[in-house]
Amino acid sequence: DAKTTQPNSMESNEEEPVHLPCNHSTISGTDYIHWYRQLPSQGPEYVIHGLTSNVNNRMASLAIAEDRKSSTLILHRATLRDAAVYYCILGRDTGRRALTFGSGTRLQVQP
Amino acid sequence: ETGVTQSPTHLIKTRGQQVTLRCSSQSGHNTVSWYQQALGQGPQFIFQYYREEENGRGNFPPRFSGLQFPNYSSELNVNALELDDSALYLCASSLSQGEETQYFGPGTRLLVL
Repeated sequence: DAKTTQPNSMESNEEEPVHLPCNHSTISGTDYIHWYRQLPSQGPEYVIHGLTSNVNNRMASLAIAEDRKSSTLILHRATLRDAAVYYCILGRDTGRRALTFGSGTRLQVQP
Repeated sequence: ETGVTQSPTHLIKTRGQQVTLRCSSQSGHNTVSWYQQALGQGPQFIFQYYREEENGRGNFPPRFSGLQFPNYSSELNVNALELDDSALYLCASSLSQGEETQYFGPGTRLLVL
């Protein structure tokens, strides 16, 4: 499976934008880029996903590099509730349809 | 619409015992996946069930087994518990077996003493 690389941790201030990077240099042409996050004491929750074009939803935006070797999850105005571990996952059709989680980025939001 | 639910929320067992964890999938979802999350790590895929059949398995020994029922709810069974089995066990449901968004339950925290 193609691997992703994320910083272990990041800090942000409340109400400021946050850019969470993810490198995936071995991504294949059919891999979707998924982002999930896990709030403390909860299961992971879906945030956003995309293939080639940038994507927006009510939670976040996903910016995908033209060569698709990296992507950035953008939280436009961080709130305290956004403090979580953010996972960048490539959706490769291995036949298992499983999500392969890495260690993720722990985002801390300061008031 | 009811989300994914899991029971029990917490469980304490001793080494060598057996445990059964339960998951009710989100309404309309026919695919259930199970994950193990050790403390401080990302979830690791155990196996997936689609329409009552196992549809893929991660790198876990055969003492980890599962079932899916006609109503698409699921069980995870672990035999001969080991100390390293202590973890958060997560269930996720999805609309189909493809690369669909997975919806996770809150998990069952298992402690093996």
